[in-house]
Amino acid sequence: KQEVTQIPAALSVPEGENLVLNCSFTDSAIYNLQWFRQDPGKGLTSLLLIQSSQREQTSGRLNASLDKSSGRSTLYIAASQPGDSATYLCAVRGSWGKSTFGDGTTLTVKP
Amino acid sequence: EAQVTQNPRYLITVTGKKLTVTCSQNMNHEYMSWYRQDPGLGLRQIYYSMNVEVTDKGDVPEGYKVSRKEKRNFPLILESPSPNQTSLYFCASSLSGTDLYNSPLHFGNGTRLTVT
Repeated sequence: KQEVTQIPAALSVPEGENLVLNCSFTDSAIYNLQWFRQDPGKGLTSLLLIQSSQREQTSGRLNASLDKSSGRSTLYIAASQPGDSATYLCAVRGSWGKSTFGDGTTLTVKP
Repeated sequence: EAQVTQNPRYLITVTGKKLTVTCSQNMNHEYMSWYRQDPGLGLRQIYYSMNVEVTDKGDVPEGYKVSRKEKRNFPLILESPSPNQTSLYFCASSLSGTDLYNSPLHFGNGTRLTVT
């Protein structure tokens, strides 16, 4: 059974810092890995998707990497802003299209 | 605009009163899925559907039913809701088959259900 772990569970940084969020998974037989952002009580916004054959994807200040063999992904956020404060979730897509989610990292960026 | 639409956004009901939460997508996606999100338990899959007339159980299917009679719609049915089904529910969709590699999951805005 696929298990997804996100570390740390919470992170607080001053504005302007670069930061890294971690996601690890136990079964490397995946189609893709997707990073989401969720604001309190709101829906999930897709940030980046990395196919299993890819190593990284970039969108603006965000960069996500994937090391499928070791079961790890990182989300790098450059020059963090207070508007980046949210919970970040990673999800791996496995057999039969099933997605398994981590519990998320709650990020607070202080002005 | 490409989207997944859930209704209602908020629902308060009483134990045992049947209810349906609707989900519709306009992206011609084969794959659709329902999740519930609870504090400390994260997002858990309830049911999913790989295509029309094909549905399967996720991790927490007890107390729920689904149907997939049309490609665009995937309603979630609670025939006899109980308080432990109070939760935030999300519907999602994506392409399927060989497109799974590069097809992101698209989520609806969620339905907050309270069962008293």
